[in-house]
Amino acid sequence: DIVLTQSPGTLSLSPGERATLSCRASQTITSNSLAWYQQRPGQAPRLLIHGASSRATGIPDRFSGSGSGTDFTLTISRLEPEDFAVYYCQQYGTSLYTFGQGTKLEIK
Amino acid sequence: EVQLLESGGGLVQPGGSLRLSCAASGFTLSSYAMSWVRQAPGKGLEWVSGISGSGSNTYYADSVKGRFTFSRDNSKNTLYLQMNSLRAEDTAVYYCAKDTSVVLSSWSDGMDVWGQGTTVIVSS
Repeated sequence: DIVLTQSPGTLSLSPGERATLSCRASQTITSNSLAWYQQRPGQAPRLLIHGASSRATGIPDRFSGSGSGTDFTLTISRLEPEDFAVYYCQQYGTSLYTFGQGTKLEIK
Repeated sequence: EVQLLESGGGLVQPGGSLRLSCAASGFTLSSYAMSWVRQAPGKGLEWVSGISGSGSNTYYADSVKGRFTFSRDNSKNTLYLQMNSLRAEDTAVYYCAKDTSVVLSSWSDGMDVWGQGTTVIVSS
């Protein structure tokens, strides 16, 4: 199975700042089949990015994804108060999907 | 409106069984693969199982293989997760999630619709 490792575990920033979250895979992910999800407290996850860099429907353009192979990044250009949440990467390059352990983005 | 509604969670003793259901509406269920994803209290997301649109292919995480069975009845727009030999570590919120492809593969664009989850507690 592909293991995804996210860093940092917790990121403390202020509204208006730029956030950079990392996801590293234990092996190359086929066709950059990597997604990012946001989960707010008490809510189900929400799809943000698929195919490593394509925004899902309705996702603001301050969210962007990049990377290929084994190293991927989620960037939030200017943090809004509602962006403080937990973010997960997930690979679907194989039929055995896996998630990273998550990065908590908290208000500094 | 596209919706997923899970049900069937509850308190069960270790070694017991439980069947979760996920009712789908607002889309053609047979056109999409589906997954169950769980989240233990205070922990991250764990993909548990997936099933192709036709139901002919199922996949399981090692942690549940041989104990859980994922099935679907497209005519009833409902998915099922039969959970046997439950353990304390199976305690979690279980989410049903819709894939963007008919199969679990790199053709997918992720899981775009999620239910609100149903809680399973395994305890004596």
